[in-house]
Amino acid sequence: KQEVTQIPAALSVPEGENLVLNCSFTDSAIYNLQWFRQDPGKGLTSLLLIQSSQREQTSGRLNASLDKSSGRSTLYIAASQPGDSATYLCAVGSSYKLIFGSGTRLLVRP
Amino acid sequence: DAGITQSPRHKVTETGTPVTLRCHQTENHRYMYWYRQDPGHGLRLIHYSYGVKDTDKGEVSDGYSVSRSKTEDFLLTLESATSSQTSVYFCAISEDRSAKNTEAFFGQGTRLTVV
Repeated sequence: KQEVTQIPAALSVPEGENLVLNCSFTDSAIYNLQWFRQDPGKGLTSLLLIQSSQREQTSGRLNASLDKSSGRSTLYIAASQPGDSATYLCAVGSSYKLIFGSGTRLLVRP
Repeated sequence: DAGITQSPRHKVTETGTPVTLRCHQTENHRYMYWYRQDPGHGLRLIHYSYGVKDTDKGEVSDGYSVSRSKTEDFLLTLESATSSQTSVYFCAISEDRSAKNTEAFFGQGTRLTVV
């Protein structure tokens, strides 16, 4: 059974810092991996999608990497801003569904 | 933003009553999903649809049913609501199975409270 874990559960950093969020999964037979952002009381916003054949994707200050063999993905956020404060979720595409981690709650302090 | 609308956005209902949540999309995507989000459990799949009248169960389907009579609409029904079904419900869409080649997009959620 696929399990997705995100560490740390919560993170607090000062503005301007570069940071890395981690996601690990137990079964390497995935279709893709997707990173989402969720603001309090809101839905999920897709940030980056990495296909299983890809190693990384970039969008602006965000860079996501995927290492299927080790069952890991990282989301790198450069020059963090208070507006980046949110919960970040990773999800692996497996069979007919997305399987989610529990998320990392990020606070960027001004 | 992907065109996904969930209704209602908030609902309070009594134990034992039937409840229907609606997801409407304007993207003509084939796949639609219902998830619930609970503290300590993350997002869990309830049911999904891979076409009109084609649906299947997810990991937490007990007590729920779904219907899809049109591409754009996916309904989730709680036959007899229980307090354990108090949750935030999210609808998602994707063009391909498990968003294999495309992204999955989520609605804004429906907060359901069963009292």
